[in-house]
Amino acid sequence: GAGVSQSPSNKVTEKGKDVELRCDPISGHTALYWYRQRLGQGLEFLIYFQGNSAPDKSGLPSDRFSAERTGESVSTLTIQRTQQEDSAVYLCASSLNTGGGSDTQYFGPGTRLTVL
Amino acid sequence: SQQGEEDPQALSIQEGENATMNCSYKTSINNLQWYRQNSGRGLVHLILIRSNEREKHSGRLRVTLDTSKKSSSLLITASRAADTASYFCATVNQAGTALIFGKGTTLSVSS
Repeated sequence: GAGVSQSPSNKVTEKGKDVELRCDPISGHTALYWYRQRLGQGLEFLIYFQGNSAPDKSGLPSDRFSAERTGESVSTLTIQRTQQEDSAVYLCASSLNTGGGSDTQYFGPGTRLTVL
Repeated sequence: SQQGEEDPQALSIQEGENATMNCSYKTSINNLQWYRQNSGRGLVHLILIRSNEREKHSGRLRVTLDTSKKSSSLLITASRAADTASYFCATVNQAGTALIFGKGTTLSVSS
């Protein structure tokens, strides 16, 4: 079956512009995660959605970052007034059940964001 | 700061050799996971080891966990060029909502 998909695969933008990144999770997966990976670094957790529960936004680095998820489907991560420090690969993952530690997370290929 | 820290940061070996990567973490865990990241292919889950397990095998992979030392190791036996990738250990954050990854070990296997 189809895995997690993300679009666009690459995004180059100018400082100060807004960007929107999209994630399509695996069908039936109730949990969805966004992570950020800077060059040569590990993944930083950004936000977690689980079903209709309130999302865990504790990883969002500033109020310029926001994310939405419609039900148990598509999610969008929006970065407003982008800064050069936002340049990174943004990874989305989904998992089947309650999420968190015991589930295997399935990752998308990521969106590489470059802010000039 | 990162929960998991992998060691070494980089490892270069020849095909057929074994590769060992280590991970240290700070807080108590229910389980620890290892992931692999190939360039252009995203992260792939390799193996999960629970806190009450000391060793687990999956094909050419062997993972150990020492909760008293808060450390884990990933052994890849008979390495292949296709094993070239970055390897990350991951543990669950305190809220139980997401994984915390280390910076990873970059493995290069040359033929």
